[in-house]
Amino acid sequence: GAGVSQSPRYKVTKRGQDVALRCDPISGHVSLYWYRQALGQGPEFLTYFNYEAQQDKSGLPNDRFSAERPEGSISTLTIQRTEQRDSAMYRCASSPSENSPLHFGNGTRLTVT
Amino acid sequence: DQQVKQNSPSLSVQEGRISILNCDYTNSMFDYFLWYKKYPAEGPTFLISISSIKDKNEDGRFTVFLNKSAKHLSLHIVPSQPGDSAVYFCAARYFTQGGSEKLVFGKGMKLTVNP
Repeated sequence: GAGVSQSPRYKVTKRGQDVALRCDPISGHVSLYWYRQALGQGPEFLTYFNYEAQQDKSGLPNDRFSAERPEGSISTLTIQRTEQRDSAMYRCASSPSENSPLHFGNGTRLTVT
Repeated sequence: DQQVKQNSPSLSVQEGRISILNCDYTNSMFDYFLWYKKYPAEGPTFLISISSIKDKNEDGRFTVFLNKSAKHLSLHIVPSQPGDSAVYFCAARYFTQGGSEKLVFGKGMKLTVNP
């Protein structure tokens, strides 16, 4: 029905804590992407799933970042031992196929204090 | 190293006039270009796209022009309407050696259409 849904909308966490960001793509969309967007910048690629397979994780900045999509639908982006530099808008996008334009969610605004 | 550049951070035009948003790129491997529009507190939404084998694509008030030799594309909105006021992102697609599709976004440009 609705578009890409992300939760929480806002997340404030203390440095060193782990956070999990959730993405619920549009039903039937096989491709799912995670992007990070800093203030005044365009979205930057983090990782990409085709169904449940993580096809590309080259954009994940370091091994504190991981993502999964175990059943080919909902995806979770996990950041362990958060640092202040992780503060950003994290956007999820999905598309019905690899060659289709992306549909973005409204994002999760992460603030690490 | 920015592969997709939107050099003007903002543009202000009068309602009814033409808005021209520019985008330059450096990677010759880009084969597909897209424009996204973003309203405050929302995610970017797809607006219009163009394949690298074309030089123009039109959809209603929106036209995208591609000049491959100059590695330049532009989005024309005519006539501009106040509801067009948003941030516009230029994006370009390429495929990695492993066959993975990647989108590279510009920084965005804020368009304000004044009534």
